[in-house]
Amino acid sequence: NAGVTQTPKFQVLKTGQSMTLQCAQDMNHNSMYWYRQDPGMGLRLIYYSASEGTTDKGEVPNGYNVSRLNKREFSLRLESAAPSQTSVYFCASSTPGTNHMNTEAFFGQGTRLTVV
Amino acid sequence: DAKTTQPPSMDCAEGRAANLPCNHSTISGNEYVYWYRQIHSQGPQYIIHGLKNNETNEMASLIITEDRKSSTLILPHATLRDTAVYYCIVRGYNQGGKLIFGQGTELSVKP
Repeated sequence: NAGVTQTPKFQVLKTGQSMTLQCAQDMNHNSMYWYRQDPGMGLRLIYYSASEGTTDKGEVPNGYNVSRLNKREFSLRLESAAPSQTSVYFCASSTPGTNHMNTEAFFGQGTRLTVV
Repeated sequence: DAKTTQPPSMDCAEGRAANLPCNHSTISGNEYVYWYRQIHSQGPQYIIHGLKNNETNEMASLIITEDRKSSTLILPHATLRDTAVYYCIVRGYNQGGKLIFGQGTELSVKP
């Protein structure tokens, strides 16, 4: 049981380049999330998907796009990378619990992105 | 979603109980309190959550005050491996149950 898998683990981009961060979960979870974490800071929500076919903006969506490809996969795209997007990116997933509550979220190990 | 306030850092002696406080004075009736921790830049790890009753699992205990405006996470016998940043999060049931992280408390367990 792999849980939440993110690829790649490390990436260096030049300013203006584009790339897609991949995330897949094998727990049959409905909800998936993308976060970024800058050095010494907490996690900030970029986008989330409450269920297959839906996506919503989080706290810091500018400069990013997402695709919920199917129930398993949720990708994050940087169309034109900027140095300010240098960060560690975490993907997470969770499942509805009782009282329509999503219970605990499971996180991937992160993608460390540097934009030069 | 209600905001939370946590002390930025705490120390605890190995083997002693670690009590991590969290204030969430604007919590609404349908919001749960969740605790996560992050060890050395790994992905955050779920610890426990609760609505209004005290909760206990194999990792920790969660004590929520009667007015639900604050809570305490208790690690009963802290070990060096419990050194981490601990996040208290208030989470509603709508909009996919999104998790909004604050700054957390950096717990240092010392020998």
